[in-house]
Amino acid sequence: TQLLEQSPQFLSIQEGENLTVYCNSSSVFSSLQWYRQEPGEGPVLLVTVVTGGEVKKLKRLTFQFGDARKDSSLHITAAQPGDTGLYLCAGLMEYGNKLVFGAGTILRVKS
Amino acid sequence: DAGVIQSPRHEVTEMGQEVTLRCKPISGHDYLFWYRQTMMRGLELLIYFNNNVPIDDSGMPEDRFSAKMPNASFSTLKIQPSEPRDSAVYFCASSLLGTYGYTFGSGTRLTVV
Repeated sequence: TQLLEQSPQFLSIQEGENLTVYCNSSSVFSSLQWYRQEPGEGPVLLVTVVTGGEVKKLKRLTFQFGDARKDSSLHITAAQPGDTGLYLCAGLMEYGNKLVFGAGTILRVKS
Repeated sequence: DAGVIQSPRHEVTEMGQEVTLRCKPISGHDYLFWYRQTMMRGLELLIYFNNNVPIDDSGMPEDRFSAKMPNASFSTLKIQPSEPRDSAVYFCASSLLGTYGYTFGSGTRLTVV
């Protein structure tokens, strides 16, 4: 059983469409991080959200941390083929510096 | 900075053989993590170190797995003896203070036949 549940597991969309990926848990986290991973490489950090209700924007990507610090979402506006990859959410446990990962969302953006 | 450096990138070994994976963290980072990634289980934390001291090894699957960090710039993950079910991609990551984002290496793809 995953501590962090990500949805959807797989998303295939056309270039220019918008999408949202969700990350949910019953646990409270000190912070929530989002990573993007390409084949043959390690995950690369996109953003860290720390405060409940926090919203961060990174160009066409918008990240939100839930008020209770149990969930998060990633919204991509006008997706590009270069956004294709595996998106992982990860929560930093409140006690102990352990970062637990969700199973990931595979995004494919077709041109 | 060259980032987190892992070696080898690929390892193919026979069941029963010893396997050693290596990691050089980013200079100045005080936390080092070993993760394993499989299709079935995703990214799993195996063990992590703080200032070269192992803090939590509860994710290490069996006694066949061991990890060391003899100094701030080097860590190893050893599997002895290896089994086919150990086949996975093993990632090393480092972090400053443990609360900021992690920097991952490119991973070692291990295949045990």
